[in-house]
Amino acid sequence: RKEVEQDPGPFNVPEGATVAFNCTYSNSASQSFFWYRQDCRKEPKLLMSVYSSGNEDGRFTAQLNRASQYISLLIRDSKLSDSATYLCVVNNNDMRFGAGTRLTVKP
Amino acid sequence: DAGITQSPRHKVTETGTPVTLRCHQTENHRYMYWYRQDPGHGLRLIHYSYGVKDTDKGEVSDGYSVSRSKTEDFLLTLESATSSQTSVYFCAISVRVQEKLFFGSGTQLSVL
Repeated sequence: RKEVEQDPGPFNVPEGATVAFNCTYSNSASQSFFWYRQDCRKEPKLLMSVYSSGNEDGRFTAQLNRASQYISLLIRDSKLSDSATYLCVVNNNDMRFGAGTRLTVKP
Repeated sequence: DAGITQSPRHKVTETGTPVTLRCHQTENHRYMYWYRQDPGHGLRLIHYSYGVKDTDKGEVSDGYSVSRSKTEDFLLTLESATSSQTSVYFCAISVRVQEKLFFGSGTQLSVL
């Protein structure tokens, strides 16, 4: 079993839709969590950290469920520019990346 | 954007040849990392550095070596390239260890 697992997608949604991704992790001792965004043929870029209490940044909401060992990312009012691959990252003394979930937002 | 430059951006080489990839940062961050990214896999850590001449192995270090003689430069060397090392290589930096990584633009390496 991979340490960090994501549904690869693709998720194809219309503009304005709400979409959610989950990411499960296997190590219960994991300490910190992040979502990165990666555009095609580009480097990953930090989207947001994930805090225990949940956190929001504009249209993006991240949540952590330690009991079930997953983190989630919710995107509201999807824009065309949100089309990208979203990488889940779990830190337990070293950063473990999920393989990513691909999102395509269509007009 | 963080000041991280990777060179070369693209490299095609033959099996058995040595290859060195360079990462240069202008942020004066202490921590530097080399990752590889392959389809179906998340980024996997090859080697990392805590400072000048202070490096350690990551998850997939076999076949790779690194050196850091200056804060700003972190070199990744494939002593004898193999086809399994065909990949996209990313350098990253961070202020604190394993926290909030900033990535370079990547190097596409093809070993034929």
